Amino acid sequence: QKEVEQNSGPLSVPEGAIASLNCTYSDRGSQSFFWYRQYSGKSPELIMFIYSNGDKEDGRFTAQLNKASQYVSLLIRDSQPSDSATYLCALPESEVTFGTGTKLQVIP
Amino acid sequence: GAVVSQHPSRVICKSGTSVKIECRSLDFQATTMFWYRQFPKQSLMLMATSNEGSKATYEQGVEKDKFLINHASLTLSTLTVTSAHPEDSSFYICSAGRQGALDSPLHFGNGTRLTVT
Repeated sequence: QKEVEQNSGPLSVPEGAIASLNCTYSDRGSQSFFWYRQYSGKSPELIMFIYSNGDKEDGRFTAQLNKASQYVSLLIRDSQPSDSATYLCALPESEVTFGTGTKLQVIP
Repeated sequence: GAVVSQHPSRVICKSGTSVKIECRSLDFQATTMFWYRQFPKQSLMLMATSNEGSKATYEQGVEKDKFLINHASLTLSTLTVTSAHPEDSSFYICSAGRQGALDSPLHFGNGTRLTVT
């Protein structure tokens, strides 16, 4: 079974800092990854996907994929209190596999 | 706008009754939909994979006779919690994705908060 692992946190960062969220995966053949954000009591929402090595930037978010080392990261620049949520990385194959999620707390 | 619609968003029922939750893909056909359950402060847990026109595939530990899944069309899957008990109280979420593309993400419904009294 394809597995995804994340540190459950919580990860606390001060407002304005860079938050770095990491995810490792077991299947070397995995091609693409998604990052979802889930606010407490809400369903996950897609924030980014990445399927090639390197970085992908979207506003304050940067996803980084390193297939050789089998990890994918999400960087959030200029963190805001509204970024406080649980971040899930996921493999999009048919048996959608989610990490347990990392809880991020941005301290004002 | 939302591409997956889930209804109802919140339901309260008495112990022993059944509850049906609907999940619709709004602008695409979904041969596969997924049902999740999430207890407070816990991870999203996949319950079952709903396959259009065939039986659902349940994850280990999920009772198929208690959580009935019907995927009768390419845009609708339903989850029925039969003979609900207080321990079934949870947040149920469905998701669906467009098929055939590696960059096709899952879209989630807004979830259904079930409270069994």
